[in-house]
Amino acid sequence: EDKVVQSPLSLVVHEGDTVTLNCSYEVTNFRSLLWYKQEKKAPTFLFMLTSSGIEKKSGRLSSILDKKELFSILNITATQTGDSAVYLCAVGYLIDYKLSFGAGTTVTVRA
Amino acid sequence: DADVTQTPRNRITKTGKRIMLECSQTKGHDRMYWYRQDPGLGLRLIYYSFDVKDINKGEISDGYSVSRQAQAKFSLSLESAIPNQTALYFCATSGTSARNTGELFFGEGSRLTVL
Repeated sequence: EDKVVQSPLSLVVHEGDTVTLNCSYEVTNFRSLLWYKQEKKAPTFLFMLTSSGIEKKSGRLSSILDKKELFSILNITATQTGDSAVYLCAVGYLIDYKLSFGAGTTVTVRA
Repeated sequence: DADVTQTPRNRITKTGKRIMLECSQTKGHDRMYWYRQDPGLGLRLIYYSFDVKDINKGEISDGYSVSRQAQAKFSLSLESAIPNQTALYFCATSGTSARNTGELFFGEGSRLTVL
């Protein structure tokens, strides 16, 4: 059975802290790993990763994939209250374009 | 206007009632999906469709049915709603660019409560 496991399930940090979120997976026909941010409504796309060791960056967010150890991390540096959200990890498959999601990590950034 | 529109946004109903959630998109995408989200469980795939003639079950299709009325429209039905179908439902789309980005585009969600 395919699995996408995120950790921690939730965390609380203060503004300026650095956050590291983890996503491990066990899936057949792996094609890609994606990160989404979900505030109070629809998830919004952050990154897609397909190759090991290549870091993707967008402002204070960065992510990297390890296809040998089957995990990805999402880093957020110098956190702001606007980073408070649920961060979702998803795996895409080679055969079709559906995604399987992890349970998400709830990040709360306090001022 | 949103590219992926879901109606209704909120619905409260009673056990045994038939419910339809509708999704329409203006992105011109072929692929459409229905997910449900429950606290602590993330997003789980109910059904997906790659074109009007192609419907596929996801991981939790029991108790649900779908109809792809047109390329732009994909509706989800609960024939006889039960309380454990209380959840937030998302419609999503993806296009051929998914080959490069894998990105899904989500609607705003439909919150369903079954009493």
